Amino acid sequence: DQQVKQNSPSLSVQEGRISILNCDYTNSMFDYFLWYKKYPAEGPTFLISISSIKDKNEDGRFTVFLNKSAKHLSLHIVPSQPGDSAVYFCAAYAGSNYKLTFGKGTLLTVNP
Amino acid sequence: GAGVSQSPSNKVTEKGKDVELRCDPISGHTALYWYRQSLGQGLEFLIYFQGNSAPDKSGLPSDRFSAERTGGSVSTLTIQRTQQEDSAVYLCASSNGQLTNEKLFFGSGTQLSVL
Repeated sequence: DQQVKQNSPSLSVQEGRISILNCDYTNSMFDYFLWYKKYPAEGPTFLISISSIKDKNEDGRFTVFLNKSAKHLSLHIVPSQPGDSAVYFCAAYAGSNYKLTFGKGTLLTVNP
Repeated sequence: GAGVSQSPSNKVTEKGKDVELRCDPISGHTALYWYRQSLGQGLEFLIYFQGNSAPDKSGLPSDRFSAERTGGSVSTLTIQRTQQEDSAVYLCASSNGQLTNEKLFFGSGTQLSVL
Protein backbone atom coordinates (compact mmCIF):
# COMPACT_ATOMS: atom_id res chain seq x y z
CA ASP A 1 0.00 0.00 0.00
CA GLN A 2 1.78 3.09 -1.27
CA GLN A 3 0.89 6.05 0.90
CA VAL A 4 2.99 8.51 -1.11
CA LYS A 5 2.75 8.29 -4.88
CA GLN A 6 4.79 9.92 -7.59
CA ASN A 7 3.13 8.74 -10.76
CA SER A 8 5.64 10.20 -13.21
CA PRO A 9 8.88 8.20 -13.20
CA SER A 10 10.56 10.82 -15.36
CA LEU A 11 10.23 14.36 -16.66
CA SER A 12 12.24 16.23 -19.26
CA VAL A 13 12.24 20.03 -19.61
CA GLN A 14 14.25 22.70 -21.39
CA GLU A 15 16.62 24.92 -19.49
CA GLY A 16 14.89 28.11 -18.40
CA ARG A 17 11.40 26.59 -18.42
CA ILE A 18 9.31 25.52 -15.45
CA SER A 19 9.57 22.02 -14.01
CA ILE A 20 6.50 20.72 -12.17
CA LEU A 21 6.83 17.53 -10.16
CA ASN A 22 3.70 16.01 -8.67
CA CYS A 23 2.98 13.91 -5.61
CA ASP A 24 -0.20 12.39 -4.19
CA TYR A 25 -0.74 10.90 -0.76
CA THR A 26 -3.43 8.77 0.79
CA ASN A 27 -2.78 9.01 4.53
CA SER A 28 -4.83 11.87 5.97
CA MET A 29 -2.67 11.79 9.11
CA PHE A 30 0.28 13.23 7.21
CA ASP A 31 0.79 16.83 8.19
CA TYR A 32 4.30 17.59 7.03
CA PHE A 33 5.65 17.16 3.53
CA LEU A 34 9.16 17.35 2.16
CA TRP A 35 11.03 17.14 -1.10
CA TYR A 36 14.44 15.54 -1.30
CA LYS A 37 16.80 15.65 -4.24
CA LYS A 38 19.19 12.84 -5.11
CA TYR A 39 22.13 12.79 -7.46
CA PRO A 40 23.59 9.44 -8.61
CA ALA A 41 25.84 7.75 -6.03
CA GLU A 42 24.88 10.30 -3.38
CA GLY A 43 22.38 10.27 -0.57
CA PRO A 44 19.19 12.33 -0.78
CA THR A 45 19.46 15.92 0.39
CA PHE A 46 16.64 17.99 1.80
CA LEU A 47 15.26 20.58 -0.60
CA ILE A 48 12.09 22.18 0.73
CA SER A 49 9.19 21.38 3.04
CA ILE A 50 5.67 22.48 3.82
CA SER A 51 3.42 22.12 6.81
CA SER A 52 -0.23 21.23 6.37
CA ILE A 53 -1.23 24.60 7.81
CA LYS A 54 0.15 26.26 4.69
CA ASP A 55 -0.66 25.89 1.04
CA LYS A 56 2.55 27.33 -0.38
CA ASN A 57 6.18 27.60 0.58
CA GLU A 58 8.82 29.29 -1.53
CA ASP A 59 12.60 29.15 -1.41
CA GLY A 60 14.38 30.83 -4.27
CA ARG A 61 13.63 28.97 -7.49
CA PHE A 62 11.71 26.26 -5.64
CA THR A 63 8.08 26.46 -4.60
CA VAL A 64 5.98 23.72 -3.07
CA PHE A 65 2.19 23.85 -3.27
CA LEU A 66 -0.11 21.79 -1.07
CA ASN A 67 -3.76 21.00 -1.82
CA LYS A 68 -5.02 19.19 1.25
CA SER A 69 -8.49 18.51 -0.07
CA ALA A 70 -7.00 16.75 -3.07
CA LYS A 71 -4.17 15.21 -1.05
CA HIS A 72 -1.80 16.54 -3.65
CA LEU A 73 1.40 18.50 -3.61
CA SER A 74 3.66 19.78 -6.32
CA LEU A 75 7.17 21.15 -6.61
CA HIS A 76 7.79 23.96 -9.07
CA ILE A 77 11.28 24.84 -10.21
CA VAL A 78 11.57 28.13 -12.07
CA PRO A 79 13.71 28.63 -14.05
CA SER A 80 15.01 25.09 -14.45
CA GLN A 81 18.78 24.64 -14.77
CA PRO A 82 20.83 21.67 -16.00
CA GLY A 83 22.20 21.25 -12.47
CA ASP A 84 18.66 20.52 -11.30
CA SER A 85 18.81 17.19 -13.15
CA ALA A 86 18.35 14.61 -10.41
CA VAL A 87 15.80 12.27 -8.85
CA TYR A 88 13.26 14.11 -6.71
CA PHE A 89 11.55 12.28 -3.86
CA CYS A 90 8.37 13.41 -2.20
CA ALA A 91 8.12 12.42 1.47
CA ALA A 92 5.64 12.85 4.28
CA TYR A 93 5.16 12.20 7.95
CA ALA A 94 2.62 12.65 10.70
CA GLY A 95 3.68 15.12 13.34
CA SER A 96 3.66 12.55 16.09
CA ASN A 97 5.72 10.11 14.07
CA TYR A 98 9.41 10.13 13.31
CA LYS A 99 9.11 7.98 10.21
CA LEU A 100 9.39 9.54 6.76
CA THR A 101 7.36 7.81 4.04
CA PHE A 102 8.82 8.32 0.58
CA GLY A 103 7.48 8.13 -2.93
CA LYS A 104 9.31 6.26 -5.69
CA GLY A 105 10.87 9.41 -7.08
CA THR A 106 10.79 11.31 -10.36
CA LEU A 107 13.87 11.63 -12.54
CA LEU A 108 14.10 15.21 -13.78
CA THR A 109 16.27 15.94 -16.78
CA VAL A 110 16.87 19.58 -17.69
CA ASN A 111 18.22 19.91 -21.21
CA PRO A 112 20.56 22.80 -22.09
CA GLY B 1 33.60 13.76 9.72
CA ALA B 2 31.33 16.41 8.31
CA GLY B 3 28.64 14.09 7.03
CA VAL B 4 27.11 10.66 7.45
CA SER B 5 29.60 8.02 6.38
CA GLN B 6 28.67 4.55 5.19
CA SER B 7 30.89 1.61 4.41
CA PRO B 8 31.42 -0.23 2.23
CA SER B 9 30.10 1.83 -0.65
CA ASN B 10 29.64 -1.34 -2.68
CA LYS B 11 29.29 -4.94 -1.57
CA VAL B 12 28.92 -7.98 -3.80
CA THR B 13 28.14 -11.21 -2.03
CA GLU B 14 26.94 -14.69 -2.76
CA LYS B 15 23.49 -15.88 -1.84
CA GLY B 16 23.49 -17.37 1.65
CA LYS B 17 26.40 -15.32 2.99
CA ASP B 18 26.11 -12.81 5.84
CA VAL B 19 26.91 -9.12 5.34
CA GLU B 20 27.50 -6.19 7.67
CA LEU B 21 26.87 -2.61 6.66
CA ARG B 22 28.25 0.22 8.73
CA CYS B 23 27.03 3.74 9.36
CA ASP B 24 28.88 6.57 11.08
CA PRO B 25 26.36 9.33 11.78
CA ILE B 26 27.13 13.00 12.19
CA SER B 27 28.75 13.55 15.56
CA GLY B 28 26.20 14.42 18.21
CA HIS B 29 23.17 13.24 16.24
CA THR B 30 20.98 11.19 18.54
CA ALA B 31 18.58 9.79 15.95
CA LEU B 32 19.69 7.29 13.32
CA TYR B 33 17.65 5.69 10.56
CA TRP B 34 18.19 2.90 8.07
CA TYR B 35 16.31 2.95 4.77
CA ARG B 36 16.74 0.89 1.65
CA GLN B 37 15.97 1.57 -1.97
CA SER B 38 15.32 -1.37 -4.23
CA LEU B 39 15.40 -0.93 -7.99
CA GLY B 40 12.46 1.21 -9.13
CA GLN B 41 11.17 1.69 -5.61
CA GLY B 42 11.08 4.51 -3.13
CA LEU B 43 13.01 4.64 0.09
CA GLU B 44 11.72 1.95 2.42
CA PHE B 45 12.04 2.54 6.17
CA LEU B 46 13.84 -0.25 8.02
CA ILE B 47 14.66 0.82 11.57
CA TYR B 48 15.00 3.87 13.79
CA PHE B 49 17.39 4.41 16.71
CA GLN B 50 17.15 7.02 19.40
CA GLY B 51 20.47 6.79 21.18
CA ASN B 52 21.32 3.10 21.45
CA SER B 53 17.78 1.84 21.59
CA ALA B 54 15.55 1.00 18.65
CA PRO B 55 11.97 1.92 19.46
CA ASP B 56 10.83 0.96 15.98
CA LYS B 57 12.11 -2.09 14.12
CA SER B 58 8.89 -2.57 12.21
CA GLY B 59 10.46 -2.00 8.81
CA LEU B 60 12.94 -4.87 9.00
CA PRO B 61 11.73 -7.27 6.27
CA SER B 62 12.52 -10.52 8.05
CA ASP B 63 14.36 -11.98 11.03
CA ARG B 64 17.46 -12.26 8.84
CA PHE B 65 17.84 -8.51 9.30
CA SER B 66 19.16 -6.99 12.52
CA ALA B 67 20.79 -3.74 13.54
CA GLU B 68 22.56 -2.36 16.53
CA ARG B 69 23.96 0.94 17.60
CA THR B 70 26.71 1.36 20.15
CA GLY B 71 27.88 4.38 22.12
CA GLY B 72 25.07 6.41 20.61
CA SER B 73 27.13 6.60 17.47
CA VAL B 74 28.08 3.88 14.98
CA SER B 75 25.38 1.55 13.72
CA THR B 76 25.71 -1.80 11.99
CA LEU B 77 23.01 -3.39 9.86
CA THR B 78 23.49 -7.14 9.52
CA ILE B 79 21.80 -9.32 6.94
CA GLN B 80 22.15 -13.06 7.48
CA ARG B 81 21.82 -15.68 4.78
CA THR B 82 21.44 -13.05 2.07
CA GLN B 83 18.92 -13.57 -0.70
CA GLN B 84 18.80 -12.01 -4.17
CA GLU B 85 15.81 -9.87 -3.16
CA ASP B 86 18.05 -8.20 -0.56
CA SER B 87 19.91 -6.46 -3.39
CA ALA B 88 19.35 -2.74 -2.93
CA VAL B 89 20.97 0.50 -1.86
CA TYR B 90 21.00 0.69 1.94
CA LEU B 91 20.91 4.27 3.18
CA CYS B 92 21.65 5.54 6.65
CA ALA B 93 20.51 8.93 7.91
CA SER B 94 20.98 10.82 11.14
CA SER B 95 19.22 13.69 12.82
CA ASN B 96 19.89 16.06 15.67
CA GLY B 97 16.92 15.84 18.04
CA GLN B 98 13.47 14.48 17.58
CA LEU B 99 10.97 14.54 14.82
CA THR B 100 12.93 16.98 12.74
CA ASN B 101 12.77 14.97 9.58
CA GLU B 102 13.69 17.92 7.45
CA LYS B 103 17.03 17.82 9.16
CA LEU B 104 17.67 14.23 8.14
CA PHE B 105 21.14 13.92 6.68
CA PHE B 106 21.73 10.89 4.50
CA GLY B 107 24.90 9.01 3.73
CA SER B 108 25.76 7.97 0.18
CA GLY B 109 24.57 4.45 0.79
CA THR B 110 25.86 0.93 0.38
CA GLN B 111 25.01 -0.75 -2.90
CA LEU B 112 24.45 -4.41 -2.03
CA SER B 113 24.40 -6.97 -4.81
CA VAL B 114 23.54 -10.57 -3.96
CA LEU B 115 24.49 -12.99 -6.71
